Amino acid sequence: AQKVTQAQTEISVVEKEDVTLDCVYETRDTTYYLFWYKQPPSGELVFLIRRNSFDEQNEISGRYSWNFQKSTSSFNFTITASQVVDSAVYFCALSEADNQGGKLIFGQGTELSVKP
Amino acid sequence: DTEVTQTPKHLVMGMTNKKSLKCEQHMGHRAMYWYKQKAKKPPELMFVYSYEKLSINESVPSRFSPECPNSSLLNLHLHALQPEDSALYLCASSHEGGYSSYEQYFGPGTRLTVT
Repeated sequence: AQKVTQAQTEISVVEKEDVTLDCVYETRDTTYYLFWYKQPPSGELVFLIRRNSFDEQNEISGRYSWNFQKSTSSFNFTITASQVVDSAVYFCALSEADNQGGKLIFGQGTELSVKP
Repeated sequence: DTEVTQTPKHLVMGMTNKKSLKCEQHMGHRAMYWYKQKAKKPPELMFVYSYEKLSINESVPSRFSPECPNSSLLNLHLHALQPEDSALYLCASSHEGGYSSYEQYFGPGTRLTVT
């Protein structure tokens, strides 16, 4: 069965601290896709990254970086030098190749609060 | 332009009303989705349209009726809703329907309150 676990419900940091959001997934498929979305208080989910199961290369985009490790079924997200604008709920999601329609399996989300 | 628009932003309706939510995208995407999100929870998939045909219905009650008039538009018709249907309704689109490799782009949502 497919499942995404974000064990951290809430995280609070002070501006400029680094913070890592954990994501652990379960799937039986060998081909799958992992995503991170950001949901600020306004409500819109903002796409951040997609990673397929064959590409374990880590990715960096500005202050954001992602660490994908198939051996531990994890796809963690790090924000370096956090800012108040990073305050949001972050969702990790999984989609399996055999899944028609592109259904996303979301984790429960991690609410990040960055205080000035 | 990665934009999905939704109207209205807020909607308050009584249990006997009929209303519709509207979603539009101009990215040439061929798959469109409706999600329901309750506070402090992840989005829950309701419907998927792929090439303007309904491909997934996640056992949603019939008081929710989706419609895809063309490849850019998606509607959700609401009738005889219950207070527990109050939620944020999110629309999303992705490049092609039926493939899980494409990311979904979400609209800002409609906050629905059923009184």
